[in-house]
Formats: sequence, C-alpha cells, structure tokens
Amino acid sequence: EDQVTQSPEALRLQEGESSSLNCSYTVSGLRGLFWYRQDPGKGPEFLFTLYSAGEEKEKKRLKATLTKKESFLHITAPKPEDSATYLCAVPGGNQFYFGTGTSLTVIP
Amino acid sequence: KAGVTQTPRYLIKTRGQQVTLSCSPISGHRSVSWYQQTPGQGLQFLFEYFSETQRNKGNFPGRFSGRQFSNSRSEMNVSTLELGDSALYLCASREQGPQETQYFGPGTRLLVL
Repeated sequence: EDQVTQSPEALRLQEGESSSLNCSYTVSGLRGLFWYRQDPGKGPEFLFTLYSAGEEKEKKRLKATLTKKESFLHITAPKPEDSATYLCAVPGGNQFYFGTGTSLTVIP
Repeated sequence: KAGVTQTPRYLIKTRGQQVTLSCSPISGHRSVSWYQQTPGQGLQFLFEYFSETQRNKGNFPGRFSGRQFSNSRSEMNVSTLELGDSALYLCASREQGPQETQYFGPGTRLLVL
C-alpha cells in the first residue's frame, strides 16, 4: 500500500540550531516528491518538488534532498518565522498521498 | 496570476444540514482536487475533477460529492452533516498531470454543531 511517513511529529529548536526533517515513502514508481509548509489555519504553501534520487533544491534556510526511499528537509540556522508544519506528499495511483507533517517550533 | 480562492472561509452548520463549498483555481489550471484536513487524520484526499469530470475519488462516503464547471471552478457538497465532518476543507489546483505541483487555497473551516 502506498504510504508516506514523516518524522519527527514535532520538533522544537532554538533559533540558529540546525536540524533535519524526514519523509519516507513506499510509493512505487516515484513521480515526484513535494514539500509544503503550512501555517495554522491556512492552506499548504508549495516549497519544493524533487523528481529523482540525488536531486537537491534550496530556498533561503531550507534544503530538500531525495534518495530512493526518503527525502530530507534540512533547516539551517532557523529563525522563529520558520515555525510551521512541514508536509511532504507523493503522487501514487490516482491521488496525492500526504504525510501527517512535522510541526516545527523555533524558539527565539 | 491570482492564487486559488475558496469561499466561504468559515462556516457553522448543525447536524443534518448540507453545505456547499466553492473553489476557483488558478487561471489555466484544469485540475481541481479537494482534501479534508483534521488534526487526527491529516490531509485526506476527497476527489479530483478535470475538465468537468471526476477523475479520481478517495475513500469518503457518498454524502461527499462535487462538480466542476466549464470555467474549471469547482464546488463540493456535503449532505446530512455529521459532527465528524468538522474540518478544514482544502482545494488545490494544477494544470493537468498527476505529477505536477498542486497549489492550495486558504481553505474553508467547517464547524458542525
């Protein structure tokens, strides 16, 4: 069964303390892996798409990487405004499968 | 281009009522998908419409239905509301292909009392 799992569920970081979020998937025939950021009460905001193992993309303090079975979202020197829930998703079969997200809190 | 818009933003209904939510996709996008988001279940896929036809459907009861108009705008209807239908309903649009990026609207927050 197609599945997307994210870890950890929640992460608290001090401002400037770098870390990584994980997204593992079991979808066969990967057709892309998508990262989104979601603020409370709002719709997910698109961050990155990765299509092949070894691919990396960066935006500000975020860098997404992809292997054959998982993706990492690296956060370098985070700031309080990076606090949000980060979701990953993969297309599988006839729909998108979303992980349950990692809730990131960055403490000043 | 303007982003995905959803109306209304907030709704309060009582059990047994029905509700209709509206979504206007990004201009040029022909695919519209609907999701239900709850704290316990995360984002759950409801259905996708493409060129006025339902292309895919998730595992939700028949009380949840939708349609798409010729201008790609979409509506979602929930009949006989239950308490468990309280959720954030999100609409997402993309140009057409399943591997393309979906862009989300702000959502409609539905509270069923």
